[in-house]
Amino acid sequence: AQSVTQLGSHVSVSEGALVLLRCNYSSSVPPYLFWYVQYPNQGLQLLLKYTSAATLVKGINGFEAEFKKSETSFHLTKPSAHMSDAAEYFCAVSDNGGNDMRFGAGTRLTVKP
Amino acid sequence: DTGVSQDPRHKITKRGQNVTFRCDPISEHNRLYWYRQTLGQGPEFLTYFQNEAQLEKSRLLSDRFSAERPKGSFSTLEIQRTEQGDSAMYLCASSLARASGGPWGQFFGPGTRLTVL
Repeated sequence: AQSVTQLGSHVSVSEGALVLLRCNYSSSVPPYLFWYVQYPNQGLQLLLKYTSAATLVKGINGFEAEFKKSETSFHLTKPSAHMSDAAEYFCAVSDNGGNDMRFGAGTRLTVKP
Repeated sequence: DTGVSQDPRHKITKRGQNVTFRCDPISEHNRLYWYRQTLGQGPEFLTYFQNEAQLEKSRLLSDRFSAERPKGSFSTLEIQRTEQGDSAMYLCASSLARASGGPWGQFFGPGTRLTVL
């Protein structure tokens, strides 16, 4: 069964600094990978998804993620953090096209002024 | 607003009572999912529907839980004889499954926060 591991339950960066949120996956077949963001008391919003078309995926709000098969990773990055990026971020994997989706435990991003 | 909506947003109930939540998916989406999310955790899959058919249920979905999507549009999730351990955020998501292409990702509603006293 597929699964994801998010390294670091909390990440803190200064405003303007690089954001790096780590996600490693496990899947017996080529995976579909997703990053979602959740603001307090809200549902999850899709940031970006990997569907094997390109290894570097660009999403909303300036985020991007790179699929690295050799490292089984799908880390999320943003060159310059903004205060509004403070939220919980979830990595998810699916091996059947997004139906059976497994989420990581999440990483809480704090942005310091 | 054409996103996924859920009602109510918050529910406080006493142990042993029954509760029912509603989810209205994005109108053209044929798949609907229910998840449970506890504090500090990612969403856990409960069940999903393709149109009106319930195609998969997680082992997390005990006999006290039942979900329906009678006309392939909105869905309800009922919890009978609630327990304190049922306290969580219940999330609904929808997606469009096609014969080719995708995946298109799942679009989530704001969730219903259940507190069982």
